[in-house]
Amino acid sequence: AQSVTQLDSQVPVFEEAPVELRCNYSSSVSVYLFWYVQYPNQGLQLLLKYLSGSTLVKGINGFEAEFNKSQTSFHLRKPSVHISDTAEYFCAVQKGGATNKLIFGTGTLLAVQP
Amino acid sequence: ETGVTQSPTHLIKTRGQQVTLRCSSQSGHNTVSWYQQALGQGPQFIFQYYREEENGRGNFPPRFSGLQFPNYSSELNVNALELDDSALYLCASRTAGSGTEAFFGQGTRLTVV
Repeated sequence: AQSVTQLDSQVPVFEEAPVELRCNYSSSVSVYLFWYVQYPNQGLQLLLKYLSGSTLVKGINGFEAEFNKSQTSFHLRKPSVHISDTAEYFCAVQKGGATNKLIFGTGTLLAVQP
Repeated sequence: ETGVTQSPTHLIKTRGQQVTLRCSSQSGHNTVSWYQQALGQGPQFIFQYYREEENGRGNFPPRFSGLQFPNYSSELNVNALELDDSALYLCASRTAGSGTEAFFGQGTRLTVV
């Protein structure tokens, strides 16, 4: 079975500082990896995804993530955050197959302070 | 191109009642999934429909059921509501296939009292 661990429930950071949100996954088979963002009272929006190929993936809003197979990690980074980046961030894995369900971590609240 | 829309946005029900939540999938998407997101948690997979057939189910009891219609819109029905069913219910639509992007609606906030 697959699982996702987001090590930090909350990450406070000052505006214009860099940030890294950590995600580790567990799976005995190859999986696809995703990062979603959820703003207050909203659904989920895809930031980026890793399917195959280059391990450095660039997404929307200046975010990027690096897939590390040996460490089973998919950490999300942004070199300079804005107040508007304040939101809940979810890492998810998806195993190929008929269902393709997403398995989510518990989320990390990114709190950007002025 | 319209996105995924869910109705209603908020709902309050009494324990033991039944509820139906609705989802209109994005144009061109034939697969709809439902997720339950309890407060402070990540979304949990309930089930998925592909071309009107359920083709995957998470660890939820049978009182959670669903439908998908020929236009690929979907319903989630929950019978005998319990207090723990209070959550944000998210619908996601996508095209079939591995690694395809799931587009989420804004969710329905269900409160059971």
